[in-house]
Amino acid sequence: DSGVTQTPKHLITATGQRVTLRCSPRSGDLSVYWYQQSLDQGLQFLIQYYNGEERAKGNILERFSAQQFPDLHSELNLSSLELGDSALYFCASSGGGREIGELFFGEGSRLTVL
Amino acid sequence: QQPVQSPQAVILREGEDAVINCSSSKALYSVHWYRQKHGEAPVFLMILLKGGEQKGHEKISASFNEKKQQSSLYLTASQLSYSGTYFCGTRQKVTFGTGTKLQVIP
Repeated sequence: DSGVTQTPKHLITATGQRVTLRCSPRSGDLSVYWYQQSLDQGLQFLIQYYNGEERAKGNILERFSAQQFPDLHSELNLSSLELGDSALYFCASSGGGREIGELFFGEGSRLTVL
Repeated sequence: QQPVQSPQAVILREGEDAVINCSSSKALYSVHWYRQKHGEAPVFLMILLKGGEQKGHEKISASFNEKKQQSSLYLTASQLSYSGTYFCGTRQKVTFGTGTKLQVIP
């Protein structure tokens, strides 16, 4: 158990819909990262938050947005969903700061768009 | 740009050794290594820091050549439990490499 909690574990929805994925980081971790992993593909970095502020941005589509709340949990919002958005979305947390330490990953949220 | 890993895939028999390479086109200040089993979350193995400091797994070793912007992961006397996909990651936006699928067979 990494200490990172992601909900929901599985989500099935239709094209054009909007979903929200939630992540609770490990206790004390200030940084949250979101990754997308399509079937048998690598981990694509989407976005990082540190203590409520956006720290780094990767290949995140304009249809996607994220935020980190004062209690440090984070949400990833995916809108106008397309078939190609079907993937496993991982959240990870770390202690934060400029020197990125070990990442602790949640079990992921598997999104299926039909 | 994400780091490039080689080989893309490798099959070993139990007890054999393997080396997985990670190469970046950008300067590396630290390199992370993770292993992901099918359908599971990636799990941390090791961090290599500039200057040679290494933190991580006691049964797996790695090297980090800052000048060449390369890192290598050494798996010795492989066990069935080593099977999975190995990713290297860079400090810059914590970008992960292309991945190496490793399968250990009896």
